[in-house]
Amino acid sequence: DAGITQSPRHKVTETGTPVTLRCHQTENHRYMYWYRQDPGHGLRLIHYSYGVKDTDKGEVSDGYSVSRSKTEDFLLTLESATSSQTSVYFCAIRAADRDEKLFFGSGTQLSVL
Amino acid sequence: GNSVTQMEGPVTLSEEAFLTINCTYTATGYPSLFWYVQYPGEGLQLLLKATKADDKGSNKGFEATYRKETTSFHLEKGSVQVSDSAVYFCALGVKTSYDKVIFGPGTSLSVIP
Repeated sequence: DAGITQSPRHKVTETGTPVTLRCHQTENHRYMYWYRQDPGHGLRLIHYSYGVKDTDKGEVSDGYSVSRSKTEDFLLTLESATSSQTSVYFCAIRAADRDEKLFFGSGTQLSVL
Repeated sequence: GNSVTQMEGPVTLSEEAFLTINCTYTATGYPSLFWYVQYPGEGLQLLLKATKADDKGSNKGFEATYRKETTSFHLEKGSVQVSDSAVYFCALGVKTSYDKVIFGPGTSLSVIP
C-alpha cells in the first residue's frame, strides 16, 4: 500500500460532458501515472508526471489532459467525454524507495453514455 | 518499439494443477521484466520481477526466468490454488529518462476446486 486514493470510484456521465478524475497520494512520490484498462488491451498509459507541473503523454493521450499542481494530486480530465472513453482508470505511483515498484490505486469505473 | 505479448486466456485449471502463462517481449536495450496480478475489484500488485538476463523472480510459489535468448519471461507455478484466481499481466520497464512500464493484455486464470 502506498497511500493512493482515487476518486470517484464509479461515475456515469453523458457524452460531451467534462469529467475529472483525481488521484491522491500521501507519500510524496515523484512519478505518477494514469492508465486505462480495457479487455484485450491490458493497461495502456494515458499520461504520466515526473514532478509538479511536469507531465508528458503516454500511448493513448488523445482526448485527455492532466494537471499536477501539487506533489500529492494528479488529475485526469476528459474535456468532452466520448463513449470510447468508457473504461476502468487506474492511477499508479512509482516508489523509488521501494525498489522502483509501481503501486496502483483501486481504480475508477467510468461509463460514458 | 517496445511491446509485450502474452497468452490471453481465459485459462481454467483444477486445484493443484501446474500453471504456465507465456510471455514474450520486444524491447530496445535491456528492460526489467515484471509480473503483476490483479484480484477481482482491485488494482494491480507486483508479483515478481527480474532485472537482467537469467535472473529468476519468485514470490508466493510463482516463478519466472528472464530469458534474453528467447525474449521470454514465462510465469509458472507448480500447484495452483483457488485463491490464485486472478488476471496476470506481464510487463516490461524501459530505462529512459522517465521510466515507463508497458503491460501485456493480461491473462485471466480461474482455478476450480
